[in-house]
Amino acid sequence: GQQVMQIPQYQHVQEGEDFTTYCNSSTTLSNIQWYKQRPGGHPVFLIQLVKSGEVKKQKRLTFQFGEAKKNSSLHITATQTTDVGTYFCAGPGSGGYQKVTFGTGTKLQVIP
Amino acid sequence: NAGVTQTPKFQVLKTGQSMTLQCAQDMNHEYMSWYRQDPGMGLRLIHYSVGAGITDQGEVPNGYNVSRSTTEDFPLRLLSAAPSQTSVYFCASRQGDSQNGRYTFGSGTRLTVV
Repeated sequence: GQQVMQIPQYQHVQEGEDFTTYCNSSTTLSNIQWYKQRPGGHPVFLIQLVKSGEVKKQKRLTFQFGEAKKNSSLHITATQTTDVGTYFCAGPGSGGYQKVTFGTGTKLQVIP
Repeated sequence: NAGVTQTPKFQVLKTGQSMTLQCAQDMNHEYMSWYRQDPGMGLRLIHYSVGAGITDQGEVPNGYNVSRSTTEDFPLRLLSAAPSQTSVYFCASRQGDSQNGRYTFGSGTRLTVV
C-alpha cells in the first residue's frame, strides 16, 4: 500500500532558526495537504497544494509540491515558540481520495 | 457551529470491556472518518464513511465497528477492548465528494485499556 514518510521525525531548533520538514510518498499524489497539531491538541488544516511545482506561502511558512507530485516540503523561517507542534502531510491513498494517508509527522520543538 | 464534537475526552477501560466513542458534526459534511494516533505512527485510518448508510474499512479496522445512520453522527465501537487499542482517537469530517476537501478534526478521545 501507499506509504507517506516524513523526515525528520523530531527537530529541535533555537528560536529564530529556520526549520524544514520533508514529505515523501511512494506513489504520485493528486494533491497534498499539511496539518499542524499543537501538543495535546488535534490536527488543524494549514494548506493544500494541487499543482506540480506549486509553492504557497503563509507568512513565515513556505509550502512546496514537487515536480513529480511525490514529495512536498514545509519550511518555516525564523521559528517562534508558537511554531511548536507536530506537522503532518496527508495525501489521497492508493485506494482513492476517500482513504487519505497521513505522514508519520515531524515534531518541532523550539528552544527559547 | 461546533464543528466536530467527540465524547468522551478521556476513558479508561478494562480488557474485554466494550464502549462506543461518539462523534458528531454540524457542518453537513458527507465524509467522516476515524483515525487513531500512536507515538511515531502518525494518524492511521480505522474506518470511514462517504455518507449515511455507507461505511468502509481503513488501514487498521480490526477490533472496531462503525455505523452511519445519520449524516451528523459516526460512532466508533470497540467490541472487546485490548491493551493494543490504547491510543488517541480522532474523528474527522470533510465536505462532500471532493478530493480537495480539508479535514476538520474533533478534539480527540484519549483511551487507555488496562
